[in-house]
Amino acid sequence: GDSVTQTEGLVTLTEGLPVMLNCTYQTIYSNPFLFWYVQHLNESPRLLLKSFTDNKRTEHQGFHATLHKSSSSFHLQKSSAQLSDSALYYCALSASSGSWQLIFGSGTQLTVMP
Amino acid sequence: EAAVTQSPRNKVAVTGGKVTLSCNQTNNHNNMYWYRQDTGHGLRLIHYSYGAGSTEKGDIPDGYKASRPSQENFSLILELATPSQTSVYFCASGGQGGNTEVFFGKGTRLTVV
Repeated sequence: GDSVTQTEGLVTLTEGLPVMLNCTYQTIYSNPFLFWYVQHLNESPRLLLKSFTDNKRTEHQGFHATLHKSSSSFHLQKSSAQLSDSALYYCALSASSGSWQLIFGSGTQLTVMP
Repeated sequence: EAAVTQSPRNKVAVTGGKVTLSCNQTNNHNNMYWYRQDTGHGLRLIHYSYGAGSTEKGDIPDGYKASRPSQENFSLILELATPSQTSVYFCASGGQGGNTEVFFGKGTRLTVV
């Protein structure tokens, strides 16, 4: 079945440094939708950004990601981390011939230190 | 702002007891989902629904049932609760199609003792 892999469970970095969180996916369907959701402490997950266009950069709130179907990747990046970026980040996949499910990866906990 | 309301927010249940988690959405969304969240596993899909009267199994349906009696309501039922079902449960709703945003409730913390 469909799956999403986030290789880093924990990422800790210093404020001002660049952020890159990895996401790869597996699906047999050729037109998947990819999402990044963010969950701050004691809150619910909420959408950060999404894409379904190959090789097109999508941006929101200083974060950006590009869907690369050739490598089945959708990595999340930011040029300069802020303390407020500390949160749990989920990559998610929606792909189907008609039966849509939203499948999440295991999440990456990002901690930004001063 | 899309609204998804879960009840109860916290629940302590005894092993072998029946637990019902309720979810209500006022977004008029067709799709609704139940996830559980555990450290190291992320959000795992238990059951989902495309509309009133429909329920589908997700990735980890064993030990859970779901019910969608109306467009607005989607329940998760644990007929015989076990300690391994101690977790945080999130309900979510979303529109039709693969590219629509999903909105989450605030979660239910369930402890089975």
